[in-house]
Amino acid sequence: AQKITQTQPGMFVQEKEAVTLDCTYDTSDQSYGLFWYKQPSSGEMIFLIYQGSYDEQNATEGRYSLNFQKARKSANLVISASQLGDSAMYFCAIPGTSYGKLTFGQGTILTVHP
Amino acid sequence: GAVVSQHPSWVICKSGTSVKIECRSLDFQATTMFWYRQFPKQSLMLMATSNEGSKATYEQGVEKDKFLINHASLTLSTLTVTSAHPEDSSFYICSASSGGQTQYFGAGTRLSVL
Repeated sequence: AQKITQTQPGMFVQEKEAVTLDCTYDTSDQSYGLFWYKQPSSGEMIFLIYQGSYDEQNATEGRYSLNFQKARKSANLVISASQLGDSAMYFCAIPGTSYGKLTFGQGTILTVHP
Repeated sequence: GAVVSQHPSWVICKSGTSVKIECRSLDFQATTMFWYRQFPKQSLMLMATSNEGSKATYEQGVEKDKFLINHASLTLSTLTVTSAHPEDSSFYICSASSGGQTQYFGAGTRLSVL
C-alpha cells in the first residue's frame, strides 16, 4: 500500500527566504508520481507541482521546485523567495492503489513572517 | 483551465434535514470525481469515488445511505448528506479528473448542522 509521510506539522520562514517542506513516501509501484497541493485558510486545494518517477530533471513551476530523491524516497517541496501569501497548509500526495486515487500526507502548516 | 466549481461554499442546516452539495467541472470533462471530508488541521479523507454513469465506490466506513453520490454527467457530481446530524458537520471538498492522475479541486463546502 502507498504511504506518505510529512514529518513537519508546522514550519516558519521569513519573507523572501527559501523554505523546504519534507515529504517521504513508500510505494511498491515501479512507475508513480508525486503531487504537491497548497490549501490556504479559505479551504480550496491548489495544485502546485507534479513529478513522475521516471522524470530525470526535478520539476520546477515558478517559485516551486521538487527535490526528488528516489533512493531516499523523498520528494521535498522547495519554495523560493517566500511571500506572505504562501502561508497555508501544504500536502504531498501519491497515487493510490486504485487508478486515479490519491493518498495524502498529514500536511505541513507554513507560516511566512514579514 | 481545469476549473472546478463547488456550491454552496457554506451551509447551515437543522438536524434531520438533507443537504446537497454540487461539484462541477467548468472547462473539462470529468470522467472521475472524488469526494473528501476534512477535519480542521487534518488531512483529506477520501469518502467515495464516482465515475460518470455508474454507482459510486465508497471507502470503508463511509455510510452509503447517509452520503448519497450522483455523477449523472461528465461535468456534474452531487453529494447529498441525508438526515444530517451535528456529527456530520465538517468541510467537504470535491475533486475532478479527466482521466489522468492530477485531481483538480473545488473550493470546498463548510457544513454546520445545528
